[in-house]
Amino acid sequence: DTEVTQTPKHLVMGMTNKKSLKCEQHMGHRAMYWYKQKAKKPPELMFVYSYEKLSINESVPSRFSPECPNSSLLNLHLHALQPEDSALYLCASSLRPTNEKLFFGSGTQLSVL
Amino acid sequence: EDQVTQSPEALRLQEGESSSLNCSYTVSGLRGLFWYRQDPGKGPEFLFTLYSAGEEKEKERLKATLTKKESFLHITAPKPEDSATYLCAVNPGETSGSRLTFGEGTQLTVNP
Repeated sequence: DTEVTQTPKHLVMGMTNKKSLKCEQHMGHRAMYWYKQKAKKPPELMFVYSYEKLSINESVPSRFSPECPNSSLLNLHLHALQPEDSALYLCASSLRPTNEKLFFGSGTQLSVL
Repeated sequence: EDQVTQSPEALRLQEGESSSLNCSYTVSGLRGLFWYRQDPGKGPEFLFTLYSAGEEKEKERLKATLTKKESFLHITAPKPEDSATYLCAVNPGETSGSRLTFGEGTQLTVNP
């Protein structure tokens, strides 16, 4: 199994809603990532989990809250988002945190109304 | 500041018309340069990693090369299925975590 699976594929939410994005991999990878990608722009790193511990949070707003229940699962909890948060949210994994060969999921296309 | 610049922004080719995409980079200490392919609405797909000047990697119709300042992705006799956005990324030498810096990408369209 060489896939990173993301659900849902599409999500529409209001600014007062709470929702969660889910990501799963069964490749034994010990690093997992959340990226945000706006249209015609490159992916921007939001969070890194290595060995189930959050190691980066680069000024991402607190309305985004990551969770790593175990080494195979990664969630992104969303609360009180703004319309400018509408984007493609990509999950990725790598064998180790220093391994730059990333395996990406197909993403969740998020629209905030 | 680490920078990655890709050119051209968009490229239209006829099927069979070979060409090259460029990725210029400025980093403090390169630990690797990466090429990814991204189809619309999908996540990027890993293509190549290059670590040192002079290194070359090939996969089907694609060949990636690296110098001290730039990388080229050569596409030989492209087919319509090669149409995608090609992203270049560098690892600027951070030791804690994978912090790839991506370029803006080149959107390639191959017409039949």
